[in-house]
Amino acid sequence: DAEITQSPRHKITETGRQVTLACHQTWNHNNMFWYRQDLGHGLRLIHYSYGVQDTNKGEVSDGYSVSRSNTEDLPLTLESAASSQTSVYFCASSVASGSIIHEQYFGPGTRLTVT
Amino acid sequence: AQKVTQAQTEISVVEKEDVTLDCVYETRDTTYYLFWYKQPPSGELVFLIRRNSFDEQNEISGRYSWNFQKSTSSFNFTITASQVVDSAVYFCALSDYLYNFNKFYFGSGTKLNVKP
Repeated sequence: DAEITQSPRHKITETGRQVTLACHQTWNHNNMFWYRQDLGHGLRLIHYSYGVQDTNKGEVSDGYSVSRSNTEDLPLTLESAASSQTSVYFCASSVASGSIIHEQYFGPGTRLTVT
Repeated sequence: AQKVTQAQTEISVVEKEDVTLDCVYETRDTTYYLFWYKQPPSGELVFLIRRNSFDEQNEISGRYSWNFQKSTSSFNFTITASQVVDSAVYFCALSDYLYNFNKFYFGSGTKLNVKP
């Protein structure tokens, strides 16, 4: 069965360190997204990609970067982790089909704690 | 600007009661999509429904039903005869066609507690 996985599921890191969260999907979806979930804010979009070599900033992109070298993976990098980036991170993917906006399928999430 | 408001932060009901979760949205676009997701205590996000702005027909899926009203910019979700397994956080999301194609804006969620 197709799926979307994230690793690690839990991560504790120190302020100032670079951290990379992995996201891998086997749906063969062109669209991939990264969100963070914080209490009282729902999910907020960090970065997104519509295909290989395409990346775009979302609502809360400061301090984060992504790269898309193949269809399956969209790793999220925190350049210099800050305590404000303690959050649960979700990766998602969706079908790209012209004029229709399809539902996004989410990974299980990564809980990141920055100490 | 796009906005999704879920004014009910937390709702508690007793099993078998009906419950409605409210979702009010704002968008400049005339073409848009609305979604509901469920996040059970285990943490994953489960897709429930997608609706586009041209289809105002209400939808029923088992105990779940959705009422879409463009006149009030609302897309409410009703669970009939609630069960303990319905306990979760429910999110409403909006993606509009012209300004934010494929980008989802989520509400802050409504936590539903169903007590036995």
